[in-house]
Amino acid sequence: NAGVTQTPKFRVLKTGQSMTLLCAQDMNHEYMYWYRQDPGMGLRLIHYSVGEGTTAKGEVPDGYNVSRLKKQNFLLGLESAAPSQTSVYFCASSITGMNTEAFFGQGTRLTVV
Amino acid sequence: RKEVEQDPGPFNVPEGATVAFNCTYSNSASQSFFWYRQDCRKEPKLLMSVYSSGNEDGRFTAQLNRASQYISLLIRDSKLSDSATYLCVAGGGADGLTFGKGTHLIIQP
Repeated sequence: NAGVTQTPKFRVLKTGQSMTLLCAQDMNHEYMYWYRQDPGMGLRLIHYSVGEGTTAKGEVPDGYNVSRLKKQNFLLGLESAAPSQTSVYFCASSITGMNTEAFFGQGTRLTVV
Repeated sequence: RKEVEQDPGPFNVPEGATVAFNCTYSNSASQSFFWYRQDCRKEPKLLMSVYSSGNEDGRFTAQLNRASQYISLLIRDSKLSDSATYLCVAGGGADGLTFGKGTHLIIQP
């Protein structure tokens, strides 16, 4: 049972470097989400997608871009990493955005130095 | 801005005791409600959905009060393994689920 898979699980970046986090789900879910979680801040929505080819901004979208070219994949890009982007990133998916639970990946711990 | 508010705790509770958490949500249009559990350095996982009629799953009982816009979680006969952070979640808007910041529970032997 793969569910939601995130890669990589850990990464250290230097300020200004770029990287892409990959999220893959095998449950045929329409909605996918990227969250970041920081101590004392809870889960904050970065971007989300309501279906293949769509993306939308969440609560904290600045400094991030996303793409949903295939239904099963949701990519989160950092074009020029900053120390403020040091966080744990979680991807999640749900059947729809409304009355269904979200399933989470195991998280990516990103440190920007 | 849609918000879900929770007491961050920590709640320090002796093993075997009953503990209750509440959370409030600001979006009156929310239609779905959940409690998630998150263990240290792990991903959140669904604990239970919350229905208007209330629901029970073993030692866990969840209640929804739409008029006052709050959700509650009751844990009876608490176990050491219940120690975790409990996230209150409200959903129903186009952008999916809104998470609270979580309540930290510590069950003490």
